[in-house]
Amino acid sequence: QSALTQPASVSGSPGQSITMFCTGTSSDVGSYNLVSWYQQHPGKAPKLMIYEVSKRPSGVSNRFSGSKSGNTASLTISGLQAEDEADYYCCSYAVTNTFVVFGGGTNLTVL
Amino acid sequence: QVQLQESGPGLVKPSETLSLTCTVSGGSISSYYWSWIRQPPGKGLEWIGYIYYSGSTNYNPSLRSRVTMSVDTSKNQFSLNLRSVTAADTAVYYCARHRGRSSGFDFWGQGTLVTVSS
Repeated sequence: QSALTQPASVSGSPGQSITMFCTGTSSDVGSYNLVSWYQQHPGKAPKLMIYEVSKRPSGVSNRFSGSKSGNTASLTISGLQAEDEADYYCCSYAVTNTFVVFGGGTNLTVL
Repeated sequence: QVQLQESGPGLVKPSETLSLTCTVSGGSISSYYWSWIRQPPGKGLEWIGYIYYSGSTNYNPSLRSRVTMSVDTSKNQFSLNLRSVTAADTAVYYCARHRGRSSGFDFWGQGTLVTVSS
């Protein structure tokens, strides 16, 4: 059982926007603005898409955006494209001695 | 562009030690934190631990009794040893660079599958 809770799956049509959520506690997501999101295609390594809740690394499309409210972080993908179909994992710094915790992952299907 | 490459045996016997090395190219290992993260087949990601280039470490409490990490700055490498492995340790093992100590992992190796089986 993962420390952060993510829905198992979400889906959307090309061109639409979707938002996926990541729920933690006051000891992780709610503690600092240190939530990151990763995209993972089958058989590939995860790729950093969002760090520090809402910042995008160089080269990541501005269709990806992140936010946080309380103990819940969210990742929004606008203008869905077929290439966005992948697993997405959230990750948060934890004030406990676990250092970082991951969510169980959300599988995004582009219909 | 920083690149990371994991290397080590793909098959380890139960009760033995899993040993992996991550070689960093295109940049220096100095001034960064480096982690090992694993992913059992069909499952999610699990952070194993990190090592700073100076040698300081922090391990996941669930694995702390079995994990040791080390760094060799002269070779731009860092390593993972996981003792007394069982089938539950079968996973793809990734090495990754921290973007700042706690800001996320910005560069990842391609991953290496380690199977624990006799």
